[in-house]
Amino acid sequence: DTAVSQTPKYLVTQMGNDKSIKCEQNLGHDTMYWYKQDSKKFLKIMFSYNNKELIINETVPNRFSPKSPDKAHLNLHINSLELGDSAVYFCASSQDLIVQASHPNYGYTFGSGTRLTVV
Amino acid sequence: GESVGLHLPTLSVQEGDNSIINCAYSNSASDYFIWYKQESGKGPQFIIDIRSNMDKRQGQRVTVLLNKTVKHLSLQIAATQPGDSAVYFCAENIMGNQFYFGTGTSLTVIP
Repeated sequence: DTAVSQTPKYLVTQMGNDKSIKCEQNLGHDTMYWYKQDSKKFLKIMFSYNNKELIINETVPNRFSPKSPDKAHLNLHINSLELGDSAVYFCASSQDLIVQASHPNYGYTFGSGTRLTVV
Repeated sequence: GESVGLHLPTLSVQEGDNSIINCAYSNSASDYFIWYKQESGKGPQFIIDIRSNMDKRQGQRVTVLLNKTVKHLSLQIAATQPGDSAVYFCAENIMGNQFYFGTGTSLTVIP
């Protein structure tokens, strides 16, 4: 039973199209994230949601719009896809937004990623 | 965002040898660090963490060392195995807020 699941795993689409990536977590976590990993493996946060509320919105084009229907789901919609959007997108979740000193192993649980290729 | 960097982008080691992966972080206020392992086609997975009030923490075959003076982290893997081949990331956290990830180091274990 996958803790953080993303769909689809692979997505190939043409420039200008609109696409969505879905993410669900069954860990009961309050906070979910979207990360973008480029070809050099650099992981950069895009968005963070806590209990369905947007907390972090890094410098991301407004073509990217996250939506959280409930705290177990965080979807990513991308409009007018561009070649530079090609990357692997990871969803992650954490128990809390704020690191709790009492938690022995605080961290993020990541999904397996969605490889987006824009042609 | 914060800058968390690694000295070596790639590392090759013989099976059975020890591996050391280094990470430099930029913010002296960072108080919590995690090492993640990312295998091919998978998301990053938690390996070990350390808080800034510690210098060393040991897990199963892994040890993390923290040198706050020079803002440096290292991950030591003992008796490296083929299954250890992956990209390793360090991530820093400041005051309980979001984590910033460094550029990964690709570890290849040679049988």
